[in-house]
Amino acid sequence: DAGVIQSPRHEVTEMGQEVTLRCKPISGHDYLFWYRQTMMRGLELLIYFNNNVPIDDSGMPEDRFSAKMPNASFSTLKIQPSEPRDSAVYFCASSLRGFSGNTIYFGEGSWLTVV
Amino acid sequence: QQPVQSPQAVILREGEDAVINCSSSKALYSVHWYRQKHGEAPVFLMILLKGGEQKGHEKISASFNEKKQQSSLYLTASQLSYSGTYFCGTLYSGGGADGLTFGKGTHLIIQP
Repeated sequence: DAGVIQSPRHEVTEMGQEVTLRCKPISGHDYLFWYRQTMMRGLELLIYFNNNVPIDDSGMPEDRFSAKMPNASFSTLKIQPSEPRDSAVYFCASSLRGFSGNTIYFGEGSWLTVV
Repeated sequence: QQPVQSPQAVILREGEDAVINCSSSKALYSVHWYRQKHGEAPVFLMILLKGGEQKGHEKISASFNEKKQQSSLYLTASQLSYSGTYFCGTLYSGGGADGLTFGKGTHLIIQP
């Protein structure tokens, strides 16, 4: 299998611009997760989906962040407007039947820099 | 609530052993261990479910003490390839959520 695929791998944008990060989960996986990683806070769960339905978005920092999963093979994380403090690595991950004893597979990450 | 990992960093010589601890203030259902190399994605190592089981993967093993709400990762006869940041991810009992909460990580440096 190709693994979890994320794009773009690197993005540099100016403050105030809209940023869209994309993710294709592993085929057949029914859970999709978006994580953010920074030096200060480590790996934080932003939101996760089960069968394309958002289950818990309590980790989304504020209304500037939104995530969608229109179908089983695609998800987006959008930041509008972006701010310098949003600079981080954003990981998408997927798993079969969630975390309860199952492995989660991470994508390579999207490195976002907001200047 | 984020699990607490200790130590924050370890420097070892090749062949030495290391122990990384992960503690939680809440009852745990499972603990998941990952390793991340710089600039790469976290890679799954193992899962431990409540019941006090111990698992192993080559020379890396882990234990889960449900009563103490903690897990330990043991690296024996460390190799250069073990260098990286180790994260524990916890799933809480009765939490109802499927998302892992990760600790801040333990940086492991193996020197030749």
